[in-house]
Amino acid sequence: EVQLVESGGGLVQPGGSLRLSCSASGFTFRSYTMHWVRQAPGKGLEYVSLISGSGGTTYYADSVKGRFTISRDNSKNTLYLQMSSPRPEDTAVYYCVKSYSPGFQGGRDAFEIWGQGTMVTVSS
Amino acid sequence: QSVLTQPPSASGTPGQRVTISCSGSSSNIGSNTVNWYQQFPGTAPKLLIFSNNQRPSGVPDRFSGSKSGTSASLAISGLQSEDETDYYCAAWDDSLSGWVFGGGTKLTVL
Repeated sequence: EVQLVESGGGLVQPGGSLRLSCSASGFTFRSYTMHWVRQAPGKGLEYVSLISGSGGTTYYADSVKGRFTISRDNSKNTLYLQMSSPRPEDTAVYYCVKSYSPGFQGGRDAFEIWGQGTMVTVSS
Repeated sequence: QSVLTQPPSASGTPGQRVTISCSGSSSNIGSNTVNWYQQFPGTAPKLLIFSNNQRPSGVPDRFSGSKSGTSASLAISGLQSEDETDYYCAAWDDSLSGWVFGGGTKLTVL
């Protein structure tokens, strides 16, 4: 069974740092592009970042560019999101998401499997 | 404001057919495929439709998708009470080189 389990969420002060992790199982992790999508309380979905299977291609939404860093350790089947200088508006549930097809599909992709999400609250 | 535009709400009676629209531009829907997600309160979204009109295994054929130009639609036929929840469209945007979502549509079954 394909499974994604996020961890690392919690309360962080503005300007602090936090690292989210996503442990993957049930599929060939290194073959799939992975994503982070977030959802602020009571709001819609917002795309955050992606990383290709090899880690060679990354993308960041403008709202987090320069502050967040996505990475992966294919030997540990784990995806990460390093959040630096978080802001109150970064408060959200953060979902780890697996692409539908292997390889980097760009616009032909879809978000097939979602983790349960981890809540991040940025507040002093 | 979301890059893709969805109506904030939609409604229908049991057994009815309802559609939810998703409007974009030439840089997203106009040049890429559209996916739809279903999300129940307090849970993670679920892939409902991919590549405009394809259903993942396990999704009932009551759900269908279509795309024309820079707009897409999700149709739900034989509406059931358990369909009452939130629906989101998404597409890759070539100008942004990233994914964009619609603002979501809350479906109410009357």
